[in-house]
Amino acid sequence: QKEVEQDPGPLSVPEGAIVSLNCTYSNSAFQYFMWYRQYSRKGPELLMYTYSSGNKEDGRFTAQVDKSSKYISLFIRDSQPSDSATYLCAMTADNDMRFGAGTRLTVKP
Amino acid sequence: NAGVTQTPKFRILKIGQSMTLQCTQDMNHNYMYWYRQDPGMGLKLIYYSVGAGITDKGEVPNGYNVSRSTTEDFPLRLELAAPSQTSVYFCASRSPGPRHYGYTFGSGTRLTVV
Repeated sequence: QKEVEQDPGPLSVPEGAIVSLNCTYSNSAFQYFMWYRQYSRKGPELLMYTYSSGNKEDGRFTAQVDKSSKYISLFIRDSQPSDSATYLCAMTADNDMRFGAGTRLTVKP
Repeated sequence: NAGVTQTPKFRILKIGQSMTLQCTQDMNHNYMYWYRQDPGMGLKLIYYSVGAGITDKGEVPNGYNVSRSTTEDFPLRLELAAPSQTSVYFCASRSPGPRHYGYTFGSGTRLTVV
């Protein structure tokens, strides 16, 4: 079993849709949870982070962490074509960051 | 600020050749990392450094070497290139603060070994 599991997609939605991206993990020591966005042929860039369980909202983006289920989510409201990218979840405890495989999202106009 | 700069952007190597991937950051970050990204496999840590003169192995170090003589530079050396090293390589850095500060990544080096 991988330490971090993420459905690679691809996921295609119409503009304006609500997008839900998810990751599960097995290491209960993880405390910091992050989402990175990676445009084609670019490096990942930090989008959001959450510490421990709970929700965090930033504009159209909401990150959720459920430590009891070892499950994290990223919701994108009113999705835009500019949101088309690969989204990677990442998490860490006191050691190195562990990344999911990434979900490729396409938002169609 | 330039952030994290990687060179070259693309490279084709023949089996058995060697090369150095360059990484420079101008944010005075202590921590630096090298990852490889393969399709559907996510990012795998090759080597990392917590400061000048200190390096350590990650998940997939075989076939690679690193050095860290300055805070700014963290080159990755490939010796005797093999087709299995065909990948996209990313360098990243972060400050020594809380881990939620996240990593700053370079734009990557696409390497093909033929």
